[in-house]
Amino acid sequence: GQNIDQPTEMTATEGAIVQINCTYQTSGFNGLFWYQQHAGEAPTFLSYNVLDGLEEKGRFSSFLSRSKGYSYLLLKELQMKDSASYLCAVRDRRTTDSWGKLQFGAGTQVVVTP
Amino acid sequence: DGGITQSPKYLFRKEGQNVTLSCEQNLNHDAMYWYRQDPGQGLRLIYYSQIVNDFQKGDIAEGYSVSREKKESFPLTVTSAQKNPTAFYLCASSMSGGGDEQFFGPGTRLTVL
Repeated sequence: GQNIDQPTEMTATEGAIVQINCTYQTSGFNGLFWYQQHAGEAPTFLSYNVLDGLEEKGRFSSFLSRSKGYSYLLLKELQMKDSASYLCAVRDRRTTDSWGKLQFGAGTQVVVTP
Repeated sequence: DGGITQSPKYLFRKEGQNVTLSCEQNLNHDAMYWYRQDPGQGLRLIYYSQIVNDFQKGDIAEGYSVSREKKESFPLTVTSAQKNPTAFYLCASSMSGGGDEQFFGPGTRLTVL
């Protein structure tokens, strides 16, 4: 299994940049996902990293270092609608005995202020 | 529009009663999942199904049961054996099991009175 750690809450100003870190310890790794979840709603997919490096998608970017067990999600040009919880999820390596299920962190609540 | 639906949005139940949460998808996905979300905690996997007529226990299956008689449907029953059932329940699906991005339904908030 995995231990996944991410900060509980971060506050930033509209228009600014925020970086959400996620560290994990795993016996097997096969990819890392970032999801956005507004209060009381379903998580929505933001990004997926399986190789080291940066994946950029508009205002959102995600970085992975497998050797360090570390990822971050970078939110640029923050908007009020970005206020949400951001979930880091690590996928197990799939083996004959194990299914590649997702393990989720507790989420980071981002508060965007005017 | 393709997607995942869960019903009802809010559900109240008396202690000692079983209750079934609905999950339907029209994405033609093979795999479906049930998660539980509690305040301050990550999503925890209850049950998953990689194919019709087959399902496996997740990390917290005790007190829950599922069925997968149709590809589109994966209902979850919360039984009276579940000690602390009040939570937000999320259903998800993916193209195949264990590999692809999971798409989530809107969730059902269950409150036990």
